[in-house]
Amino acid sequence: QSALTQPASVSGSPGQSITISCTGSSSDIALYMFVSWYQFRPGKAPKMLIYDVTHRPSGISNRFSGSKSDNTASLTISGLQTEDEADYYCSSYSSSNTLVFGGGTKLTVL
Amino acid sequence: QLQLQESGPGLVRPSETLSLTCSISGGSISNSVYYWGWIRQPPGKGLEWIGDIYYSGNTNYNMSLKNRVIISADTPQNQVSLRVTSVTVADTAVYFCARFNSRAAFQWGPGTLVTVSS
Repeated sequence: QSALTQPASVSGSPGQSITISCTGSSSDIALYMFVSWYQFRPGKAPKMLIYDVTHRPSGISNRFSGSKSDNTASLTISGLQTEDEADYYCSSYSSSNTLVFGGGTKLTVL
Repeated sequence: QLQLQESGPGLVRPSETLSLTCSISGGSISNSVYYWGWIRQPPGKGLEWIGDIYYSGNTNYNMSLKNRVIISADTPQNQVSLRVTSVTVADTAVYFCARFNSRAAFQWGPGTLVTVSS
């Protein structure tokens, strides 16, 4: 069982926006600004989309955005594209000096 | 452009030691801005952080692995290694190496599947 809780799946149509939630606790997401999000696509190396809750690394589309409220972080993808179909994972630094992950969310673009 | 590549045996017997190497090109593991680590994903399951190593040689480990893990760095070879001792079938997973900064894995290798089986 993963330390952070994500919905198993979400779906949306091309052009729409979707949001993936990531719920943690007072020992991780609520306590630190070290939340990151990753995209896993078959046959490709995982890609980081967001770090430090809201920051996008160079080269990541501004269609991807992150936020946090209390112990829940969110990843929003706007203007959905078929290429966004993938598994998405959240992560947070934890007070036990570890990095904890969510169980992953499968995004289907209908 | 930074590239990471994991390598090692794809099959390990139970109770033996799993050893993997991450070869890095396009960047030096001695760069003090970054640190390096390992993450794994058992089949059909989520991600698990294993541990990391800083340019100073300092390491941090996931204590759930109960002191079975050692991460080391070979600066001349620009490689980071992972050893997991006394493996069981629960250690079967895709193992990823990654470059970290600000508690986030900025770049990842493609991963390598390690199966623990007799």
